[in-house]
Amino acid sequence: SQTIHQWPATLVQPVGSPLSLECTVEGTSNPNLYWYRQAAGRGLQLLFYSVGIGQISSEVPQNLSASRPQDRQFILSSKKLLLSDSGFYLCAWTPGFHEQFFGPGTRLTVL
Amino acid sequence: DAKTTQPPSMDCAEGRAANLPCNHSTISGNEYVYWYRQIHSQGPQYIIHGLKNNETNEMASLIITEDRKSSTLILPHATLRDTAVYYCIVRLLQGAQKLVFGQGTRLTINP
Repeated sequence: SQTIHQWPATLVQPVGSPLSLECTVEGTSNPNLYWYRQAAGRGLQLLFYSVGIGQISSEVPQNLSASRPQDRQFILSSKKLLLSDSGFYLCAWTPGFHEQFFGPGTRLTVL
Repeated sequence: DAKTTQPPSMDCAEGRAANLPCNHSTISGNEYVYWYRQIHSQGPQYIIHGLKNNETNEMASLIITEDRKSSTLILPHATLRDTAVYYCIVRLLQGAQKLVFGQGTRLTINP
């Protein structure tokens, strides 16, 4: 069966520090991968998606970037965190049909 | 993708059927209706989808009106664990399969 992992589960970082969040999917190949963010009291917002290795599409301009170095690995990064980057970050994947499966999420607090 | 409108909150008694409405009056002929839910501090969970016909699975039933301008998600025997935010999403089954989440309906199941 397929499984999606995210780490870390929680993270507290100072403003201006770098960020690297990792997402991996097991039990499937060539999935579409997504990064969403949910800021406090707000809805889920799609940040990036990828349909293949090295293929990244950005949905909103921001302080973040994404990379897909391997088929089942999706990384969210920042060189310098802002207070506004705080939120609940969710990775998701889809096998290409209807359902989208979400990971457990990373709760990021920028101080 | 068509816009959806949902009530911000609803209450339902445990053991009763929970009926969650969604308006999508601008839906096009080849757009699907999807329902996801998000339990507090977790990633969203896919529930069900449909195009024209009513659908049922082990989690819920989806009733789509004949003109497809609205739909209702039915949880037949709600339990306390069904307390969550429920999202109705309309999108085409093509491209990168991006999900656009609105504010959803916060469903509270009361004992």
